[in-house]
Amino acid sequence: AQTVTQSQPEMSVQEAETVTLSCTYDTSESDYYLFWYKQPPSRQMILVIRQEAYKQQNATENRFSVNFQKAAKSFSLKISDSQLGDAAMYFCASYNNNDMRFGAGTRLTVKP
Amino acid sequence: EAGVAQSPRYKIIEKRQSVAFWCNPISGHATLYWYQQILGQGPKLLIQFQNNGVVDDSQLPKDRFSAERLKGVDSTLKIQPAKLEDSAVYLCASSLVGDGYTFGSGTRLTVV
Repeated sequence: AQTVTQSQPEMSVQEAETVTLSCTYDTSESDYYLFWYKQPPSRQMILVIRQEAYKQQNATENRFSVNFQKAAKSFSLKISDSQLGDAAMYFCASYNNNDMRFGAGTRLTVKP
Repeated sequence: EAGVAQSPRYKIIEKRQSVAFWCNPISGHATLYWYQQILGQGPKLLIQFQNNGVVDDSQLPKDRFSAERLKGVDSTLKIQPAKLEDSAVYLCASSLVGDGYTFGSGTRLTVV
């Protein structure tokens, strides 16, 4: 079974600064995917970034990048140049064989 | 591309009443998921459909929850009778086999 742990219930960042959200996971599978989802108050889960476990290169999407440490089973999300619109719940997820498991989430606050 | 549609957005019922949620996935997406997200937690998978067949319903409380996906397109999730602890957001998601998920905006259920 897969498990995902997010140890930071809440994080805060100043606008234009950089913040890193932590995530660790546990899976016995060798072929899996990792995701970060953003959930604003509208409740819709929005895909932020995706990482295939077989790829060593860290995924990047504009201001969002990950630090994927496969041996340590760590998958942190870095948000650069934070914007007010980045404020939301962020969920880390592990996906394998049509089974996606989520962490408990981190609430990110962006201060103007 | 139209997203995943869910209705209603909000529902308030008394305990022991019944309720149904509806989901229309993205056209062509064979896989459909229902998740339960209790306040302060990450989404938890209730049931997964592949076309109109159930792939995984191991976490569905079958004594009170039921779901169907007729003709492999729309899906309904029903709770009968509802309990106070069923208060949550119910998220529907769909995907192509082996691809990322697209989530709907969810239905917020309050049981009083």
